Amino acid sequence: DTAVSQTPKYLVTQMGNDKSIKCEQNLGHDTMYWYKQDSKKFLKIMFSYNNKELIINETVPNRFSPKSPDKAHLNLHINSLELGDSAVYFCASSHWSIPGGEGDGYTFGSGTRLTVV
Amino acid sequence: AQTVTQSQPEMSVQEAETVTLSCTYDTSESNYYLFWYKQPPSRQMILVIRQEAYKQQNATENRFSVNFQKAAKSFSLKISDSQLGDTAMYFCAFWQGGGADGLTFGKGTHLIIQP
Repeated sequence: DTAVSQTPKYLVTQMGNDKSIKCEQNLGHDTMYWYKQDSKKFLKIMFSYNNKELIINETVPNRFSPKSPDKAHLNLHINSLELGDSAVYFCASSHWSIPGGEGDGYTFGSGTRLTVV
Repeated sequence: AQTVTQSQPEMSVQEAETVTLSCTYDTSESNYYLFWYKQPPSRQMILVIRQEAYKQQNATENRFSVNFQKAAKSFSLKISDSQLGDTAMYFCAFWQGGGADGLTFGKGTHLIIQP
């Protein structure tokens, strides 16, 4: 009964390849996010989607393309992988607005460690 | 844009001691949310505690409590009776709430609990 699940947990690939990371949430949230955690552990948002619509697109190379087939799924596709893309990628979800101020409001997946060699 | 500052890159305390992790933030908003997340070596992001800015009462969760000073824009985390399992990276995060805003994170504090 995992709330936010990401697959795969580990991904090792060569430069130039194309890869995808999948994310699914069963919390009934309507907003999903991708974050990148770099080698210094700094976390920064990349994208957010609300009801399948792209809301935030931070300064991210256009080799990164998020896709949301429905509000429970948000996948991340990366083209032409580079060494600098090596990082941990986290999916997260939340309600568009926190109902009544209860609940944690924000739930993270367990992360995908991407290593580009 | 909001900023979050954690001024302690690393801290080390003995088991059973009390430790306080500091966090300051900058925002022009009056209503928002603040979080402390724990990230152990397993890399899972675990919510430790959350505070709504409109609530004056400091949040507590068992051994974890916060000192929220809205005027000073300060949000420190106190861990009482620290345990070996508390060893982890701790991130302070700001969320304006609602919409699809992302969390703004501090750079983290690596907390080490010594036996």
